[in-house]
Amino acid sequence: GAVVSQHPSWVICKSGTSVKIECRSLDFQATTMFWYRQFPKQSLMLMATSNEGSKATYEQGVEKDKFLINHASLTLSTLTVTSAHPEDSSFYICSARDPSQGAIGYTFGSGTRLTVV
Amino acid sequence: GQNIDQPTEMTATEGAIVQINCTYQTSGFNGLFWYQQHAGEAPTFLSYNVLDGLEEKGRFSSFLSRSKGYSYLLLKELQMKDSASYLCAGLETGANNLFFGTGTRLTVIP
Repeated sequence: GAVVSQHPSWVICKSGTSVKIECRSLDFQATTMFWYRQFPKQSLMLMATSNEGSKATYEQGVEKDKFLINHASLTLSTLTVTSAHPEDSSFYICSARDPSQGAIGYTFGSGTRLTVV
Repeated sequence: GQNIDQPTEMTATEGAIVQINCTYQTSGFNGLFWYQQHAGEAPTFLSYNVLDGLEEKGRFSSFLSRSKGYSYLLLKELQMKDSASYLCAGLETGANNLFFGTGTRLTVIP
């Protein structure tokens, strides 16, 4: 089945630094990928939709200058958390849809646990 | 717009049956998903309903009523490993992304 690889699985960074998270579709091409954030004991909140070759679409309330998304190829999207602060500590998950699988083709990465100290 | 409601927490006994309900409101419905998520891990796909009725898959079944905006996930012969969060998610017509409910944390006790 479709596989989405997400790295790193966890990262600890100092306040004020930037962190990049990668999301790759391993056996299919994904023109669209999705970035979610999940706080403890809460559900997934969509942050942005990453579009290959064009600008990402951000959800209301998500700062596009803080959460930089790049989708330079059909198999790779990156999320960079710039000038990270402790409140950015969260579980970040990417998702991609394999079009050959139809509506059930949504696959999630394994997530990245970000801790900002 | 869209909205999904499901209970926050449930507890059930090993070997029993549990039903997790989900209600949704959306301007254009294009399918209802259930995912299982263990703590600190990515969600894994359980089921997809786009037509009314019951879909059975082993110990797990999912039901949909589009007229009522209602779905449930039924877990039979509960096992301890079924302790997890169960996420109800919808897909809107013309949209690419899934929108999620708050998730239901199920605890299975001996």
